[in-house]
Amino acid sequence: KQEVTQIPAALSVPEGENLVLNCSFTDSAIYNLQWFRQDPGKGLTSLLLIQSSQREQTSGRLNASLDKSSGRSTLYIAASQPGDSATYLCAATTAGGTSYGKLTFGQGTILTVHP
Amino acid sequence: NAGVTQTPKFRVLKTGQSMTLLCAQDMNHEYMYWYRQDPGMGLRLIHYSVGEGTTAKGEVPDGYNVSRLKKQNFLLGLESAAPSQTSVYFCASRWDRIHEQYFGPGTRLTVT
Repeated sequence: KQEVTQIPAALSVPEGENLVLNCSFTDSAIYNLQWFRQDPGKGLTSLLLIQSSQREQTSGRLNASLDKSSGRSTLYIAASQPGDSATYLCAATTAGGTSYGKLTFGQGTILTVHP
Repeated sequence: NAGVTQTPKFRVLKTGQSMTLLCAQDMNHEYMYWYRQDPGMGLRLIHYSVGEGTTAKGEVPDGYNVSRLKKQNFLLGLESAAPSQTSVYFCASRWDRIHEQYFGPGTRLTVT
């Protein structure tokens, strides 16, 4: 059974810092890994989707990497801003068996960027 | 292009009452999902559908039923609500296992 873990659970940084959020998964047989942002009381916004054959994906100040063999992904946020404050979730789509595109989520990292 | 929409946004039910949550997507996606999000438990899959007329159980299906009579709609029903079903419910859809999964804004349900 796939399990996804995110470290740290919470992170507080001053504005302008570069930061890294970590995600690990136990079953390396995945189709892809997706990073989401969730603001308080809101839905999930997709940030990046990285396929199992890819090593990196970039969108603006965000860069996601994937090391499938070690079961790890990282989300790098450059030059953080107060508007980046949110909960960040990673989720894996496990391949094989009765795969039906279900996402297995980590518990999330609560990010606070203070001015 | 509205993406994934959910109705209603908020609802308060008494124990034993029934209700239906509606999810609609306008992206012609085959796969649709219902998740619930609870503090400390994360997001868990309730039911899913891989196409019109098909449904299947996820991780936490007890107390819920679903239907997918039209490709664009996925309904989640609670026949007899219980306080343990107090949660935020999210609907999601995707084209297939390779593409992104998109989420609706959520329905906040309280059962008293």
